[in-house]
Amino acid sequence: GAVVSQHPSRVICKSGTSVKIECRSLDFQATTMFWYRQFPKQSLMLMATSNEGSKATYEQGVEKDKFLINHASLTLSTLTVTSAHPEDSSFYICSATDHTSGSSDTQYFGPGTRLTVL
Amino acid sequence: SQQGEEDPQALSIQEGENATMNCSYKTSINNLQWYRQNSGRGLVHLILIRSNEREKHSGRLRVTLDTSKKSSSLLITASRAADTASYFCAWEDTGGFKTIFGAGTRLFVKA
Repeated sequence: GAVVSQHPSRVICKSGTSVKIECRSLDFQATTMFWYRQFPKQSLMLMATSNEGSKATYEQGVEKDKFLINHASLTLSTLTVTSAHPEDSSFYICSATDHTSGSSDTQYFGPGTRLTVL
Repeated sequence: SQQGEEDPQALSIQEGENATMNCSYKTSINNLQWYRQNSGRGLVHLILIRSNEREKHSGRLRVTLDTSKKSSSLLITASRAADTASYFCAWEDTGGFKTIFGAGTRLFVKA
């Protein structure tokens, strides 16, 4: 089956620094990738939708200048948390789908990245 | 709010019992999926049901979908301690391929 990887799996950084999280589709072309954030004991909240080669669409309340998303190729999307603060500490999960294939309703999720900001 | 509702929020049962979780959503959907998540881990896809389907089975899992009530249920039969996890429903709305997650149910199966 299709696999989505995320790197790093865990990251600890100091307040004020920027952190980049990569999401890769390993054996399929991801025309659309999604980024979610999950706080402890809560559900996944959709942050943004990115289509290859175009600007990401952010959900209401998500700051696009703080959470920079780049989807430059069909297999890679990156999320950069700029000037991270402790309240940005969370579990970030990406997912990918290929709308050009016949099974456009299947989303493949990455294993997540746990960000801790000190 | 993005999320619909799931109930119960938490469920504690004995091994061997059945567990039923319910999910309600707000929009028109293409499909609805159920996922499992162990503490601090990634999501495991359990089952997908399309908007024109009413019921689906996979092993010990049974999912129903009622689009008129905008609701779905997940039944786990003959539960095991290993089923202890959080369970989330997630639906793809017809508007733009977004998948939105419900609040989740935390299931604890006692051995």
